[in-house]
Amino acid sequence: GNSVTQMEGPVTLSEEAFLTINCTYTATGYPSLFWYVQYPGEGLQLLLKATKADDKGSNKGFEATYRKETTSFHLEKGSVQVSDSAVYFCALSDQAYKYIFGTGTRLKVLA
Amino acid sequence: DADVTQTPRNRITKTGKRIMLECSQTKGHDRMYWYRQDPGLGLRLIYYSFDVKDINKGEISDGYSVSRQAQAKFSLSLESAIPNQTALYFCATAEGFNQPQHFGDGTRLSIL
Repeated sequence: GNSVTQMEGPVTLSEEAFLTINCTYTATGYPSLFWYVQYPGEGLQLLLKATKADDKGSNKGFEATYRKETTSFHLEKGSVQVSDSAVYFCALSDQAYKYIFGTGTRLKVLA
Repeated sequence: DADVTQTPRNRITKTGKRIMLECSQTKGHDRMYWYRQDPGLGLRLIYYSFDVKDINKGEISDGYSVSRQAQAKFSLSLESAIPNQTALYFCATAEGFNQPQHFGDGTRLSIL
């Protein structure tokens, strides 16, 4: 069946460091791919999305490119801030009209 | 006001009690979902609904039931709560296929 695999955390970085959180997927057809962010005590918020191969989603300095050949959608940011500390989820929408989520990656950014 | 509102935000109850978690939305979306979140397991789908007359089981529906009272309201019930249902529960909506979901802030449920 369809699945999403993302790197385990926690990931701890110093402020202004480069961030990569890996996400790979298995799916039939052509799913849309999403990154969500969850801050403490809150629900998930959409961070960015991509709907077809080679699309690049971007928001708030974060980027991810839909790579069909490697079935990946890695999240990157050039310079993280303390305020980026949160849990990040990779997800896809499948042909059965449902959404599959990764297990989440906790990011901690130190000042 | 929040687009997707969940009540209560926190609940502590005892084993065997019946619990209802409520979700209402102002986004006008037909699709609504209930998930539970457990540490290290991500989000797991309990039930989903594409309109008032369409209710579907997710991957972990045992021990849960739902009611779609209106387009804007989707409730989750635990008929007889047990401790391993202690978790963070989220309601979400979506406009359509391949569209992003919109989440409420969650209900933290503890069953003693």
